[in-house]
Amino acid sequence: GAVVSQHPSWVICKSGTSVKIECRSLDFQATTMFWYRQFPKQSLMLMATSNEGSKATYEQGVEKDKFLINHASLTLSTLTVTSAHPEDSSFYICSASASGSLPDTQYFGPGTRLTVL
Amino acid sequence: QQQVKQSPQSLIVQKGGISIINCAYENTAFDYFPWYQQFPGKGPALLIAIRPDVSEKKEGRFTISFNKSAKQFSLHIMDSQPGDSATYFCAAGGNRGNKLVFGAGTILRVKS
Repeated sequence: GAVVSQHPSWVICKSGTSVKIECRSLDFQATTMFWYRQFPKQSLMLMATSNEGSKATYEQGVEKDKFLINHASLTLSTLTVTSAHPEDSSFYICSASASGSLPDTQYFGPGTRLTVL
Repeated sequence: QQQVKQSPQSLIVQKGGISIINCAYENTAFDYFPWYQQFPGKGPALLIAIRPDVSEKKEGRFTISFNKSAKQFSLHIMDSQPGDSATYFCAAGGNRGNKLVFGAGTILRVKS
């Protein structure tokens, strides 16, 4: 149980284009989803928290107009990197937190490797 | 006050040995302490987690020891195997609406 998927697993795009990454909870309802960014050999950096049906809450320093997050249902959240540039190249990972008695538990997706040329 | 300090940065252990990774936190409002295992190119996987009402939790070869007064917790991997070679992250949460604060990570290499 508690499986989270991400699509695509990797993407290469040209500078200036937009890229959408999907995060799905496959066997549970995720009241909250989180988006992280991870650079090589570094820890996870939280970008934003999204709750189903409401606007995402962004961490300080994260541009909300550049990283658009939509949490349209209890099983799907999307991250759109708009007008991507080479410095946006990174490993993007989502996690999902289920409603219920253990709300703090986060289950992570497999990650999406974004390379911007 | 929101930081979680993790050590060591890297660790080499012989097969069959015990791997020990330590974390310390400042914020006493934290009440949930998970450990994650991450292989290269993969997302972190929840390994084991503990809450402050117990001082130790064991699942198979993995044990969390928790010292509330010292605000420290550690992961012990018994009988370490080459397949355990990965990056391990501690985290703390519960005080900011489900957000987790992650440690910097420990790269574990188990030599066969």
